[in-house]
Amino acid sequence: AQSVTQLDSQVPVFEEAPVELRCNYSSSVSVYLFWYVQYPNQGLQLLLKYLSGSTLVKGINGFEAEFNKSQTSFHLRKPSVHISDTAEYFCAVSDLRGGNQFYFGTGTSLTVIP
Amino acid sequence: DTAVSQTPKYLVTQMGNDKSIKCEQNLGHDTMYWYKQDSKKFLKIMFSYNNKELIINETVPNRFSPKSPDKAHLNLHINSLELGDSAVYFCASSQGSPNTEAFFGQGTRLTVV
Repeated sequence: AQSVTQLDSQVPVFEEAPVELRCNYSSSVSVYLFWYVQYPNQGLQLLLKYLSGSTLVKGINGFEAEFNKSQTSFHLRKPSVHISDTAEYFCAVSDLRGGNQFYFGTGTSLTVIP
Repeated sequence: DTAVSQTPKYLVTQMGNDKSIKCEQNLGHDTMYWYKQDSKKFLKIMFSYNNKELIINETVPNRFSPKSPDKAHLNLHINSLELGDSAVYFCASSQGSPNTEAFFGQGTRLTVV
């Protein structure tokens, strides 16, 4: 079975500072990895995804993530955050078995401090 | 055009009532989902439909019944509402293969009083 762990439930960071949100997964088969963002009172929006190829993936709003197969990680990074990045961030995986089921982590609440 | 739309956005109702949440997607996707997000923001899949057929039915009380009249719609009917059903319910859709992302609706905030 799949599982996704987001170790940091809350991450406060000052504006213009870098940030890393951690995501680890467990799977016995190849996976596809996603990061979603949820702004207050809104649905989830895709930030980026890793399907194959280059392990460094760039997404919207200046975010990027690196897939590390040996460490089963897919950490999200941004070199300089803005106030508008304050939101909930979810890591998710899907795999080649059983159709297109997404397994979500418990989310990381990013708060950017002015 | 909204890709995945759900109605209503807010729903306040009394315990014991029956209510429905509607979801429509105009992306031509084969697979649709219902997720429940609790007060701690945890997202739990409830149901998944592929081409109107139930694929995933997680451990959800049978008071919850999804209905898919066609590929573009997946409605959620809830009978005998309980206080613990209060949550945000998200509809989503995808193309149905593992290497494609899910697109989410804006959510329906259900409050049972």
